[in-house]
Amino acid sequence: AQSVTQLGSHVSVSEGALVLLRCNYSSSVPPYLFWYVQYPNQGLQLLLKYTSAATLVKGINGFEAEFKKSETSFHLTKPSAHMSDAAEYFCAVSDEDDYKLSFGAGTTVTVRA
Amino acid sequence: DTAVSQTPKYLVTQMGNDKSIKCEQNLGHDTMYWYKQDSKKFLKIMFSYNNKELIINETVPNRFSPKSPDKAHLNLHINSLELGDSAVYFCASSPGAKKLAGLARPRTDTQYFGPGTRLTVL
Repeated sequence: AQSVTQLGSHVSVSEGALVLLRCNYSSSVPPYLFWYVQYPNQGLQLLLKYTSAATLVKGINGFEAEFKKSETSFHLTKPSAHMSDAAEYFCAVSDEDDYKLSFGAGTTVTVRA
Repeated sequence: DTAVSQTPKYLVTQMGNDKSIKCEQNLGHDTMYWYKQDSKKFLKIMFSYNNKELIINETVPNRFSPKSPDKAHLNLHINSLELGDSAVYFCASSPGAKKLAGLARPRTDTQYFGPGTRLTVL
């Protein structure tokens, strides 16, 4: 079965600083990986996904993630944090059984003015 | 236009009661899901339907019963509510066409989430 581990349950950054959220995966088959964001009191929204077309994936709101097979990682970055980036971020892997997404525990991002 | 909607948004009830949460999607998707998010924000899949057929049924107490009257709707009925059922329940949908032998599987489908229903059991 596939799984993901998010390192760091809470990340605090200054406005304008780099945002780096870590995700490592475990998969017996080529993985398909996702990053979702959850703003307070809202549902999840897709930021970006890796579907093997390109290892560097660009998403919405200036986020991007790089798939590194050698490191089994799919870390999410944003060069310059904005106050509106404060949210919960989830890494997920698509299960071999088609329809199931397995989510990481989530990382809470706070942005300091 | 809301893509995936859930009602109610908040649900407060007593232990032992029976309640339902409704979900509707207007995206024309074939697959719908129910997730449970606990107080630590951990998300766990509960059920999934593809064109009214149950395709994912995780280890969930049988007090929880999903019902899909058509592919645009997936409701969740919960009997004999317990304190531990308190959580946020999310509905989601994805294009996920029905699996057919020999065709590529839709592992790359994006799932679209509803706003959630916060269930509090007293």
